[in-house]
Amino acid sequence: NAGVTQTPKFQVLKTGQSMTLQCAQDMNHNSMYWYRQDPGMGLRLIYYSASEGTTDKGEVPNGYNVSRLNKREFSLRLESAAPSQTSVYFCASSDQSGGSEQFFGPGTRLTVL
Amino acid sequence: DQQVKQNSPSLSVQEGRISILNCDYTNSMFDYFLWYKKYPAEGPTFLISISSIKDKNEDGRFTVFLNKSAKHLSLHIVPSQPGDSAVYFCAAGPGNQFYFGTGTSLTVIP
Repeated sequence: NAGVTQTPKFQVLKTGQSMTLQCAQDMNHNSMYWYRQDPGMGLRLIYYSASEGTTDKGEVPNGYNVSRLNKREFSLRLESAAPSQTSVYFCASSDQSGGSEQFFGPGTRLTVL
Repeated sequence: DQQVKQNSPSLSVQEGRISILNCDYTNSMFDYFLWYKKYPAEGPTFLISISSIKDKNEDGRFTVFLNKSAKHLSLHIVPSQPGDSAVYFCAAGPGNQFYFGTGTSLTVIP
């Protein structure tokens, strides 16, 4: 089992460019999450999907959109990147949304110039 | 305002001694509390959790204590080992989403 995989690992964008971060899990989990980690801020939830076909906003959703393509895949899209979106992005999945442990991917390091 | 706080950015402990990492939260509606460990350039990995109906949970060398009245939880690692050197995050939430602290960097000195 690969667990949670994320692509790409690194990305550099110019302000205003768009991109999609991909995430897939092979653990048959119902819930999936996108976080960002900034220095001194811990991890902050951007969006989550409690089950296939549903998505909800987290703490910091502005500037992002998500798609739960199927049970395995949950993508994060930046329509018009801004320097404030420079961060490390983590995708996670869990068996259920009620307090279960989350399994994290290795992260995508995004720099917006 | 941060809903989960880890006020100690770093902690150094001798190998074999106890490591105590602390975490405070503000929302009394939080029901679930988790600890994660993170190495550089990797995603966090789950360590141990506790729900609000308990005040202690133990798993091998790791024990988490929850004091609901003080809105405080702590992670005890006994005995500490050099491989425990990492950043530790606590997370708390109602279940459908979690708020993370800023992390404590633990160094275990051989």
